[in-house]
Order: sequence, then structure tokens, then C-alpha cells
Amino acid sequence: AQSVTQLGSHVSVSEGALVLLRCNYSSSVPPYLFWYVQYPNQGLQLLLKYTSAATLVKGINGFEAEFKKSETSFHLTKPSAHMSDAAEYFCAVSFSNDYKLSFGAGTTVTVRA
Amino acid sequence: GAVVSQHPSRVICKSGTSVKIECRSLDFQATTMFWYRQFPKQSLMLMATSNEGSKATYEQGVEKDKFLINHASLTLSTLTVTSAHPEDSSFYICSYNLLQGLGTSGPRSYEQYFGPGTRLTVT
Repeated sequence: AQSVTQLGSHVSVSEGALVLLRCNYSSSVPPYLFWYVQYPNQGLQLLLKYTSAATLVKGINGFEAEFKKSETSFHLTKPSAHMSDAAEYFCAVSFSNDYKLSFGAGTTVTVRA
Repeated sequence: GAVVSQHPSRVICKSGTSVKIECRSLDFQATTMFWYRQFPKQSLMLMATSNEGSKATYEQGVEKDKFLINHASLTLSTLTVTSAHPEDSSFYICSYNLLQGLGTSGPRSYEQYFGPGTRLTVT
């Protein structure tokens, strides 16, 4: 069965520290992979996406993610956390040609001053 | 670019009434769009896929007669929650799918652009 898993429902980091959010997928076909951020009571904003081009993808706000086929992972990182990074982050995967997204459960990021 | 709006942002209605939520793409056109619902502290759950000019395809467990979707143009779709009940209270989010980099064998890439969401509370 095809699925997407985000490890860790909550991550707390100090301002300036590394942010690492984990995402693994299960699929028999190469997927498209996305990371979205959601601020309270708002819709989702695309941070970055992987669509079978470069395996290291750079996104907005200093985030990047690396697609590792052997590990079926697409972890999101940011070298130095900022207070404005506090939000909910969703990994999403598209397995088919119907453009549907399957979302992970989400990871809440809090940033300590 | 690629801005999606939703109206209203918040709505409170009485049990048994119907509520219509509008979703518009402001600066682009898209054939395919999606409706999601999100419960507090949970992920997004896909309700239905809609292609302009066609009937919507609903996910398993979503009542098509309760959640009416009209997708009459490439920039406007509406979701009507009919005979709403308190358990329908949720955050409803729409998205439009934008194809990118069209080639001879189809789109090279795509991504969904999301509306800001509508908070529905049924009393």
C-alpha cells in the first residue's frame, strides 16, 4: 500500500538551531513529493517540491529537502531556525497521474527564544 | 502569482441549514481542483476531486448529496454543505492544481495552490 509518514508530531528547536523534519513514503512507483507549511487558521503554502529532477531541492524561507530513493525519504531541513518558522508542516506525496495528494499527519514546530 | 481565495473565511450556521463556500483562482485558470476538510490538530483529508464541466469525484465515505460541488468555470468552484449538522463543523480548504512545463508527453510538473480556508461552525 502507498503511504506517507511523518516521524514526530512535534519538534521544538532553539532559535538559530537546525530544523529537521522527517518524511518517509511507501510507493512502488516514483512519487512526486512536496512540503507545505500551514500557519494557524490559514491555508497551505508550498515550501518546495521534488519532481524527479535534482534530488536536493531548495525551497523558500531557507528550507531544503533531499530525496533519497534508497531510504524512501524526503526530509526537510533548515540550518538556522527563526521565530517565524513556528508553524505546522506537512509532507505530501502524489503517487498517481490524477494529481491527488496524500498528506502526512503533520509536524508542529515550535521555536524557543 | 497563483493566488486562491475562499469566501467566507468564517461562517456560523444553525443545524439544518445549508452553507455555500466559494473558491476562486484569482490569477490563473485550472481544470482540476480539490476540496479538503481539516479537523483541529489533524491533517487534511481529501473530500473530492473536481474537473471543470464534469461531476466531482468523491472520496470513499464522503456523501456526495451532502457536499455538493459545482465547478462551472476554470476559476470558480463552490462547495455547498447541505442540511449541516454540528459534526460538519470543520476547516474546509480548496486547492487548484496547476500544471507546469507542458511537453509532448504531458506536464513535467504540477503543484496545488491552496485557498486560505473556511472555518464552518454549525450550532
